[in-house]
Amino acid sequence: AQSVTQPDIHITVSEGASLELRCNYSYGATPYLFWYVQSPGQGLQLLLKYFSGDTLVQGIKGFEAEFKRSQSSFNLRKPSVHWSDAAEYFCAVGAPGGYNKLIFGAGTRLAVHP
Amino acid sequence: KAGVTQTPRYLIKTRGQQVTLSCSPISGHRSVSWYQQTPGQGLQFLFEYFSETQRNKGNFPGRFSGRQFSNSRSEMNVSTLELGDSALYLCASSQTQGPPEETQYFGPGTRLLVL
Repeated sequence: AQSVTQPDIHITVSEGASLELRCNYSYGATPYLFWYVQSPGQGLQLLLKYFSGDTLVQGIKGFEAEFKRSQSSFNLRKPSVHWSDAAEYFCAVGAPGGYNKLIFGAGTRLAVHP
Repeated sequence: KAGVTQTPRYLIKTRGQQVTLSCSPISGHRSVSWYQQTPGQGLQFLFEYFSETQRNKGNFPGRFSGRQFSNSRSEMNVSTLELGDSALYLCASSQTQGPPEETQYFGPGTRLLVL
């Protein structure tokens, strides 16, 4: 069965520092991989997605993620964090035969110190 | 283009009651998926509808049901509410029925509180 693990529940970084949020997935083949962000009281916004091809994916708001098949990982990175990046981040996986169903990780809550 | 809209945004019910939540997808989108978000269980897939047909269903009891209308609007119903049904219910729409290469757009959610 598919599963997604986000090992870090909370992360605090200083504004301007780099960020890496970890995501590990469990799936037999190459899954569809996503990162979403949720601000308080809001729905989910897609940051980026990976299906195939270049394993380094660029997204919105300056985020990127790298797919590493050997490590079953899809970590999200940003070189310089802004205070407005404080939010909860979710990694998700979808399956080719699963229609639009997504399996989400537990989320990582990011706090940004000025 | 208007985004996904969900009504109502907030709802308070008591145990044993039933509730109906509504989701209007982005114009032209024919797929609507529903998710439940709770602090304890996180985001869990409820079901997905495409062209008025349920395509996929999550592991929820039969008290949770849904439907989709010919205009792609969707409703989900929870009967005999329990305290544990308190959650944020999110819907997402996309143009196709998957695989999820098309971006799914999420609404702001309906926050349900069961007392």
